Amino acid sequence: DTAVSQTPKYLVTQMGNDKSIKCEQNLGHDTMYWYKQDSKKFLKIMFSYNNKELIINETVPNRFSPKSPDKAHLNLHINSLELGDSAVYFCASSPPGVSHEQYFGPGTRLTVT
Amino acid sequence: AQSVSQHNHHVILSEAASLELGCNYSYGGTVNLFWYVQYPGQHLQLLLKYFSGDPLVKGIKGFEAEFIKSKFSFNLRKPSVQWSDTAEYFCAVSNAGNMLTFGGGTRLMVKP
Repeated sequence: DTAVSQTPKYLVTQMGNDKSIKCEQNLGHDTMYWYKQDSKKFLKIMFSYNNKELIINETVPNRFSPKSPDKAHLNLHINSLELGDSAVYFCASSPPGVSHEQYFGPGTRLTVT
Repeated sequence: AQSVSQHNHHVILSEAASLELGCNYSYGGTVNLFWYVQYPGQHLQLLLKYFSGDPLVKGIKGFEAEFIKSKFSFNLRKPSVQWSDTAEYFCAVSNAGNMLTFGGGTRLMVKP
């Protein structure tokens, strides 16, 4: 059973396009996250979403918008893609509270040409 | 704002050598500390975590880490590495919102 899944695994698209990455978790967790890993492997939090409360990292451009249709899903929409958006995007989830580990998905490698 | 520093960017060891990866954090409040591992082409997996209690934490695959509050450190250790330990290792700190701040990662290569 895959705990945290993401689709697609690879996404190649052109500048200016709009794309979405889907994330689903079957762990029954309340909180989900999106992280970006750049080409130097540096990982940075983008969003945290907990029971309809969205916490945004202020450095994330507003072209990025998370959407959560229900507790088990947190999708990432990206408008007007730029070359600098090329990265691996990881979804994660955790139980409620502050003392819980996060479970990561397999990642989506986005390449913008 | 919290930050995490990993001093070793690349480490190359021979099998059976001992490993210690440094991690220092900057945060004024109560911290939860983690080490994650990313094997080539794979997602992040939790190696070990510290929330409270015994500052010496044992994780999976023979890894351990020691939380030294006075030094703001959480170094990862393994007495004898194997070729299969070749991976990227990330130290992380979580804040009150449970959002992880990662260090820059350490790439470990173990020569057979």
